[in-house]
Amino acid sequence: QKEVEQDPGPLSVPEGAIVSLNCTYSNSAFQYFMWYRQYSRKGPELLMYTYSSGNKEDGRFTAQVDKSSKYISLFIRDSQPSDSATYLCAMKKDYQKVTFGTGTKLQVIP
Amino acid sequence: DAGVIQSPRHEVTEMGQEVTLRCKPISGHDYLFWYRQTMMRGLELLIYFNNNVPIDDSGMPEDRFSAKMPNASFSTLKIQPSEPRDSAVYFCASNGGSTDTQYFGPGTRLTVL
Repeated sequence: QKEVEQDPGPLSVPEGAIVSLNCTYSNSAFQYFMWYRQYSRKGPELLMYTYSSGNKEDGRFTAQVDKSSKYISLFIRDSQPSDSATYLCAMKKDYQKVTFGTGTKLQVIP
Repeated sequence: DAGVIQSPRHEVTEMGQEVTLRCKPISGHDYLFWYRQTMMRGLELLIYFNNNVPIDDSGMPEDRFSAKMPNASFSTLKIQPSEPRDSAVYFCASNGGSTDTQYFGPGTRLTVL
């Protein structure tokens, strides 16, 4: 079993829709949770970074962490065609080694 | 800053050949990471360095892979001999200073025929 599980999609939504992306994990030692966005043929870039359980909001993006269920989510409100990308969840313990999900490919259709 | 720089951006080689991938981290960053990305396995950490010293190479698939960091501004990932199953996108990332956010380079797309 992989430490981090993420539905690969693809997920296709109309412009303006609310998007929900999810990951589950098995290792309770993970303390820091991240979402990266990766455009085609580019490197991943950090989108959201959270530590504690609960919600963190940044513009149209909300990251949610539920440590008791070992479940994290990323919500995108008012989705735009420019949000079309692959979204990678990532997490780590108390040092530098980051474990990534396999990514969910999102397409927002105008 | 120019960000993390990787070269070459694309590499096509034949099975059995030696391949060398290069990375220049962001100036001032003291951590450097090498990742491999494939459709099947996603993004996998191969090895990471702190202050030019390898800290964790448990992700290096086998002895055909080696990585070096001779100074703070340069690292190489070498595959010898290369095999078709090594075909993937290889990313370099760095972090350090006041942030532990990893900044990724554009990647090297390797195809082994």
